[in-house]
Amino acid sequence: AQKVTQAQTEISVVEKEDVTLDCVYETRDTTYYLFWYKQPPSGELVFLIRRNSFDEQNEISGRYSWNFQKSTSSFNFTITASQVVDSAVYFCALSEARRGSQGNLIFGKGTKLSVKP
Amino acid sequence: EAGVAQSPRYKIIEKRQSVAFWCNPISGHATLYWYQQILGQGPKLLIQFQNNGVVDDSQLPKDRFSAERLKGVDSTLKIQPAKLEDSAVYLCASSLTGSNQPQHFGDGTRLSIL
Repeated sequence: AQKVTQAQTEISVVEKEDVTLDCVYETRDTTYYLFWYKQPPSGELVFLIRRNSFDEQNEISGRYSWNFQKSTSSFNFTITASQVVDSAVYFCALSEARRGSQGNLIFGKGTKLSVKP
Repeated sequence: EAGVAQSPRYKIIEKRQSVAFWCNPISGHATLYWYQQILGQGPKLLIQFQNNGVVDDSQLPKDRFSAERLKGVDSTLKIQPAKLEDSAVYLCASSLTGSNQPQHFGDGTRLSIL
């Protein structure tokens, strides 16, 4: 069965610290997609990144970076030099490509990040 | 590009009453989703449409929830009658076709059942 686990419920850091949000997933499919979304206090889910199961290259976008490791079924998210505006709930999600499941996002429970000035 | 529009933003009703939510997806997005997000949890898919057809409604409580997307564009989600456990944020999302496509979410409707 497919599942996404975000073991960290809440993390609190001081501005400029680096922080890593963990995500572990389970799937029997060989083709799947992983996503990270940000949910600020306003409530809207904002898409951050997508990775497919065949591309294990790490990705960097400004202060954000993602580490995808199939061997450990993990897709971790690191924010470098955190800022107060990074405070939000972050969700990791899985989508499988098999028929009947296309597009259905399985979300983790989210990690609430608080960045204090 | 305009985002996903949802209304109302907030709704308070008493249990056993009915309520309806509306969603207008991003122009050109054939796939539309309704999610339920209970406080402290990740969103859970209720129903997925591809144009005006249902792709997946396996987690929709069909005894009280219904949804339609008659013209393949905007959609409504209805709850009748509401129960206390339906208190949640109802999120609408849309995407281009395919499980690799990122879903774009609206601001959601926060429903409180008294």
